[in-house]
Amino acid sequence: DAKTTQPPSMDCAEGRAANLPCNHSTISGNEYVYWYRQIHSQGPQYIIHGLKNNETNEMASLIITEDRKSSTLILPHATLRDTAVYYCIVRASTDSWGKLQFGAGTQVVVTP
Amino acid sequence: GAGVSQSPRYKVTKRGQDVALRCDPISGHVSLYWYRQALGQGPEFLTYFNYEAQQDKSGLPNDRFSAERPEGSISTLTIQRTEQRDSAMYRCASSKRGGGAIGETQYFGPGTRLLVL
Repeated sequence: DAKTTQPPSMDCAEGRAANLPCNHSTISGNEYVYWYRQIHSQGPQYIIHGLKNNETNEMASLIITEDRKSSTLILPHATLRDTAVYYCIVRASTDSWGKLQFGAGTQVVVTP
Repeated sequence: GAGVSQSPRYKVTKRGQDVALRCDPISGHVSLYWYRQALGQGPEFLTYFNYEAQQDKSGLPNDRFSAERPEGSISTLTIQRTEQRDSAMYRCASSKRGGGAIGETQYFGPGTRLLVL
């Protein structure tokens, strides 16, 4: 059963912020939210992760709601190279092996 | 430094043949994962190694699939008696520390595209 729900696709204008939603209503207290993306046929690439606090790095920001049932990945200034499938994944801290369970993700298309 | 490499990049085989897919992780990385990805879907976990020990093989579809990492570095995924439904992209990933570490990043290779005729 899928632990996360994402819209199948979304468009974004180049230079604008892209806000990617993810629902994880059954998330447990020890589960983290991870985001990966996959550009065309390349392997998935790590973006960011968080537990309950908002996180920011050089690639993106992650906003997690107070009840932790949903989150938003923000690409502050989308470029054409950000066109990719974005995956939201939840993973328990008690998962000893760290396997990632990918869903279908959101296909983001950044247009000029 | 070099990333994760996989070979061959493309493999076409006939049904019933055995295939061996190779993964060369980033040097020094402890953890190694195999995933399978069907067209239009996200990667699906197959198996995980911590050094040379296969810690989780719960994702292997059946006993035709096996994997090894004898010296804790290079890994081979073997599919025996291939079937058409085995056609997919097979991806390998590695991470620096044990896979369970929070925040541990998995670095994915370019994959091997397998086509079984």
